[in-house]
Order: sequence, then structure tokens, then C-alpha cells
Amino acid sequence: DAGITQSPRHKVTETGTPVTLRCHQTENHRYMYWYRQDPGHGLRLIHYSYGVKDTDKGEVSDGYSVSRSKTEDFLLTLESATSSQTSVYFCAISPQTGRDEQFFGPGTRLTVL
Amino acid sequence: EDQVTQSPEALRLQEGESSSLNCSYTVSGLRGLFWYRQDPGKGPEFLFTLYSAGEEKEKERLKATLTKKESFLHITAPKPEDSATYLCAVQAVDYGGSQGNLIFGKGTKLSVKP
Repeated sequence: DAGITQSPRHKVTETGTPVTLRCHQTENHRYMYWYRQDPGHGLRLIHYSYGVKDTDKGEVSDGYSVSRSKTEDFLLTLESATSSQTSVYFCAISPQTGRDEQFFGPGTRLTVL
Repeated sequence: EDQVTQSPEALRLQEGESSSLNCSYTVSGLRGLFWYRQDPGKGPEFLFTLYSAGEEKEKERLKATLTKKESFLHITAPKPEDSATYLCAVQAVDYGGSQGNLIFGKGTKLSVKP
């Protein structure tokens, strides 16, 4: 298995509170991604990073911010959580974009009440 | 707009009953097509990458094929442990914007009964 961990694995929070999810990799891969997965939808890209301090928006980035200060860590922050952000969040890594598969972490289940 | 459609949404098979899952795609230019397996409560697990029409890849009871418009995941003599959701994703040629990000279908949930 690719060396990817996500923390926390489960979180329940209230509307309006800030939440930070962490993705940690031990593979030294350049690219890191945050997705959300909801019933009736495929995996949808939130943000991605192509290097330390280099990030860009994905398909569903509104309400989310990211940071990457080290190669191994990619943080996803919900500045003020809403119920629509209740979802399962997956981190993925890839050595490079182009023709490389992405490897996924175990996921974080977030519930916003 | 780049798009991926998987069918059927759900498939029930008896052990040993071979079948195929379909992934139809529309992209401006295909860079790669990816198949993943996802078990309940877990992250997607990479299976195959296909790059060009006519390409085929195999792994145990699974065989993936690719044409210019679709990909098939053939399951031969499935076993109950093959039960999972199978996801298809495409990566479009990057014309300078998206860094070649993956676009996922909604998946096919496969159940194999003993």
C-alpha cells in the first residue's frame, strides 16, 4: 500500500466551526490531491498541489482552502463548515501528472451538524 | 465538457458468471484511462491504466480493454471477494490549465453471490 495516512479518520462538527483535515505521505511524491465523495456523485476534485507552496483549485473548491508547507503534508481547511460539506474526503498522491495513476488514502468521514 | 459515464450502476452476479462493466467517456483528448476498485469504507485501490485504443491489461480475473469511446472491465468467473464498487476515471490532455486532473465516473457496484 502507498504510504498515505489521513487524520482524523472520523469527525463530527457543528455548522460554522473551522475544520482542518491532514494528509501525510511517506512516498515523496510531488502531486497531492483532495477529493470529496458523495452518494450520486463520482469523486470530485477540491484542490491539488504540484509542489511545496504550489496549489490550485479543482472542480468544487468553494468553501475550502489548502496549504502545503512540506512535501509530505497537505492540509485541507474548511474555514466555516456547512452541512453541505458533510462528505467523505480522500487524499491522493501521484509521482507526477501526465500518465501516472493516483494512489488514495483511507479517507476521512466528516459530518457537519 | 469532459465526461465519464459508467454502466450499469449495479450488477449482481452468481459466482462463476462472467460479465462486463462499461465506462463511456467524452474528452477533448485522452491521455489515460484508469480503473479502480473501492471496498466499503476504504479508499479507491488502483487496478489498471490504459493509454491507447486497442490496449488490454489483465490481473487475475479482471481484464480491461479500451476503444476510442469506451472501456470495458471484463470479469471472468467472479468470486464473492470480487464484490466491490469499480470506478473508472479519465485524464485529458493538458492544454495548460488542469494539470491533467482525473475525471471520475459514479462507479458500478458489483455483488457476487456464492
